[in-house]
Amino acid sequence: QSVLTQPPSASGTPGQRVTISCSGSSSNIGSNNVYWYHQFPGTAPKLLIYRNNQRPSGVPDRFSGSKSGTSASLAISGLRSEDEADYYCAAWDDRLSGPVFGGGTKLTVL
Amino acid sequence: EMQLVESGGGLVQPGGSLRLSCAASGFSFSSYSMNWVRQAPGKGLEWVSHISNSGSIIYYVDSVKGRFTISRDNAKNSLYLQMNSLRAEDTAVYYCTRDATPFVWGQGTLVTVSS
Repeated sequence: QSVLTQPPSASGTPGQRVTISCSGSSSNIGSNNVYWYHQFPGTAPKLLIYRNNQRPSGVPDRFSGSKSGTSASLAISGLRSEDEADYYCAAWDDRLSGPVFGGGTKLTVL
Repeated sequence: EMQLVESGGGLVQPGGSLRLSCAASGFSFSSYSMNWVRQAPGKGLEWVSHISNSGSIIYYVDSVKGRFTISRDNAKNSLYLQMNSLRAEDTAVYYCTRDATPFVWGQGTLVTVSS
């Protein structure tokens, strides 16, 4: 049982916009920044969004993040087949004194 | 280029020990806190342990307290995880990560606990 709650799956067709939600509590998302990662089979997670809505260099602006209260979301516009991956949200948790993760959302491009 | 390279994983029997290492390069290692994060086969990500940049502040997830020890050597740009009394449920890929909430990830090292 993950501390942050994500839908287990999401899907869209090429060119569509999809969003993935991440729900937490006052001790994590409510008081700390949210990070998003994607992970392809057999590889390590890679940072997509940091500090709620910032993109590392090299991440296309098709990816955007937002946060409101104790929830956050990742939006992917202009969906491409290569976006098919697992997506995870994370935030520091003040009560656990460590980062907590969502259970992951498997994105399928139909 | 910022890089984290883990080593030390392998097959170990229940009750055994392993020491994981992580070599950092491309950034000022002593300026950053570090974490170990693991991922069991087919499962999601789970934080294991955190250490501050100086090594003076350390935290563990409850399931490894008393069995795992995190440490670092800033002179060698290295992070370690000593794992004792290993259990089947510790089987996972272990990732070395930089920052309180992971910003940079290593490629991971597989730990398999099985008889």
